[in-house]
Amino acid sequence: QKEVEQNSGPLSVPEGAIASLNCTYSDRGSQSFFWYRQYSGKSPELIMSIYSNGDKEDGRFTAQLNKASQYVSLLIRDSQPSDSATYLCAVIGGSTLGRLYFGRGTQLTVWP
Amino acid sequence: DAGVTQSPTHLIKTRGQQVTLRCSPKSGHDTVSWYQQALGQGPQFIFQYYEEEERQRGNFPDRFSGHQFPNYSSELNVNALLLGDSALYLCASSLGGPSNQPQHFGDGTRLSIL
Repeated sequence: QKEVEQNSGPLSVPEGAIASLNCTYSDRGSQSFFWYRQYSGKSPELIMSIYSNGDKEDGRFTAQLNKASQYVSLLIRDSQPSDSATYLCAVIGGSTLGRLYFGRGTQLTVWP
Repeated sequence: DAGVTQSPTHLIKTRGQQVTLRCSPKSGHDTVSWYQQALGQGPQFIFQYYEEEERQRGNFPDRFSGHQFPNYSSELNVNALLLGDSALYLCASSLGGPSNQPQHFGDGTRLSIL
């Protein structure tokens, strides 16, 4: 059973702060890692993908991957109230290409 | 550039009925995956279609079935509906069959079972 664990939160940060979201996964053979943002009542929106160890930056978002520790994180710099949403970590396992395994999500609130 | 489209957006059924949900993938994509998302949970994989065949299946009973058409669009069918089938059903599209490519989601169909 492949598992993806996220700190369920909720996480609350002030506007302008850095929000840090964490995720661990059980399948050591996992190859691909994604962060999705889901606003209440809406569908998941892909915001970051990462495949190699290290950091990947896209605007205010930075994804970090450490395969040895089976850990992936998402940093949101200069957080805005519009970033308030649930953030889903998703992993594609090594032996089940094409199948996304999701965590339960972390609810983030950015207050003005 | 059209994204993933799903229909209908909302559906209300009663126990024992059957339902069909539809999905058109993003332009240029040829692979469709279906997920079920219960309230407060992450999406759960149902199955994936590529080249009109089911390529992978999650832990769902065979009441859940699907189809992919030559134009890459897809249907999800659920028979003998149970109260526990109430959820948001999400379609995601990608390119190139089972792979590590990102998947893009449609707006979903919210299914309520009475």
